[in-house]
Amino acid sequence: DAGVIQSPRHEVTEMGQEVTLRCKPISGHNSLFWYRQTMMRGLELLIYFNNNVPIDDSGMPEDRFSAKMPNASFSTLKIQPSEPRDSAVYFCASSPVAMEAGVNRYEQYFGPGTRLTVT
Amino acid sequence: AQSVTQLDSQVPVFEEAPVELRCNYSSSVSVYLFWYVQYPNQGLQLLLKYLSGSTLVKGINGFEAEFNKSQTSFHLRKPSVHISDTAEYFCAVSPYNQGGKLIFGQGTELSVKP
Repeated sequence: DAGVIQSPRHEVTEMGQEVTLRCKPISGHNSLFWYRQTMMRGLELLIYFNNNVPIDDSGMPEDRFSAKMPNASFSTLKIQPSEPRDSAVYFCASSPVAMEAGVNRYEQYFGPGTRLTVT
Repeated sequence: AQSVTQLDSQVPVFEEAPVELRCNYSSSVSVYLFWYVQYPNQGLQLLLKYLSGSTLVKGINGFEAEFNKSQTSFHLRKPSVHISDTAEYFCAVSPYNQGGKLIFGQGTELSVKP
């Protein structure tokens, strides 16, 4: 399996531009998570989907951020317009959410991340 | 609400020495517990997890962790570290029945010196 795939790996853009980050989860996984990592705030959950439906977007910083999952094999995180404070590494993770003996045995598999720099 | 506190931001240690990375959590509901490792410029990789059962959990690369419910702790240990263990380590909790979302601690940077 190729693991979680994210693109681009690096993105440099100017303030005010639209940025789209992409994620392909592991085939068969039915949950997908977007995280942001910064020195100041650490790892923060932005939003997560279950079976392509957004379940919790309370971590999305503001209306400039939006995320979609049009099908089970693709998700996007969009920032419009981008600002310098959005500079961070953005991770996508997927999970199989498998039930075993009545216990949720889910664990998340992370992609390599997209390093975003907004100048 | 949940929160995770990793008590040490940096832990320097010599090769072949034992190490303990500390993690405490706070939660109003039951949680699952995880340790992840992040090597430079890479994504996070699961080291070990506690879901139920024995409170001593063994993971990859010789790491283990012990869940202590009364102290709400989940400290990570390794009896003898290698240079290759140099990385950042994250403790995380996942509340029951909340779709598997993770709440992370701030991370501990483990630096193994020869």
